[in-house]
Amino acid sequence: EADIYQTPRYLVIGTGKKITLECSQTMGHDKMYWYQQDPGMELHLIHYSYGVNSTEKGDLSSESTVSRIRTEHFPLTLESARPSHTSQYLCASSEDALGGYTFGSGTRLTVV
Amino acid sequence: AQKVTQAQTEISVVEKEDVTLDCVYETRDTTYYLFWYKQPPSGELVFLIRRNSFDEQNEISGRYSWNFQKSTSSFNFTITASQVVDSAVYFCALSEMDGGATNKLIFGTGTLLAVQP
Repeated sequence: EADIYQTPRYLVIGTGKKITLECSQTMGHDKMYWYQQDPGMELHLIHYSYGVNSTEKGDLSSESTVSRIRTEHFPLTLESARPSHTSQYLCASSEDALGGYTFGSGTRLTVV
Repeated sequence: AQKVTQAQTEISVVEKEDVTLDCVYETRDTTYYLFWYKQPPSGELVFLIRRNSFDEQNEISGRYSWNFQKSTSSFNFTITASQVVDSAVYFCALSEMDGGATNKLIFGTGTLLAVQP
């Protein structure tokens, strides 16, 4: 049974649309992350949070934004989707400073 | 700078063969953690193992084993008697110190393992 949930699982949308990818975890983890995964497999950290009201940009520049108003919820928003945003987006959380993330199932986004 | 290298992009084996996935890392930290994750075709990343920098003992879990060697900065993963269900992308990762807290993971580029029946 998954403890971290991402919705939707698949999404196809038109260029210029605003979208929000949802990520929720039931483990009470303070630390949460968003990764973007290319079709070529490589994972890129785009956002992370160490707790409520804390958000930081990751190693890969992204036009998306995130918020962390509640511990369990870490949504990612694209104000105006473009075909270059087509990718898989993976959300993760961790309990402590020892790493060992728990990942969600991912959202496969296609922008046409 | 922290870096993880998985030089093998794709490996194809026949069922029951043993296969080793290589992982080489770079770090200036004296305390760090290394990880392996499995990503099956369904897409989620599944945690397999965590190893801290002070523990160089090899670990075995069923058909899986890990060989950690600080002298060569390597953390290799071996699957014995591979099965079709082992087909997946495997990622090696290194924890990074961030503001004193060890918590950001640096991932390698992944190795796609295809096990043929």
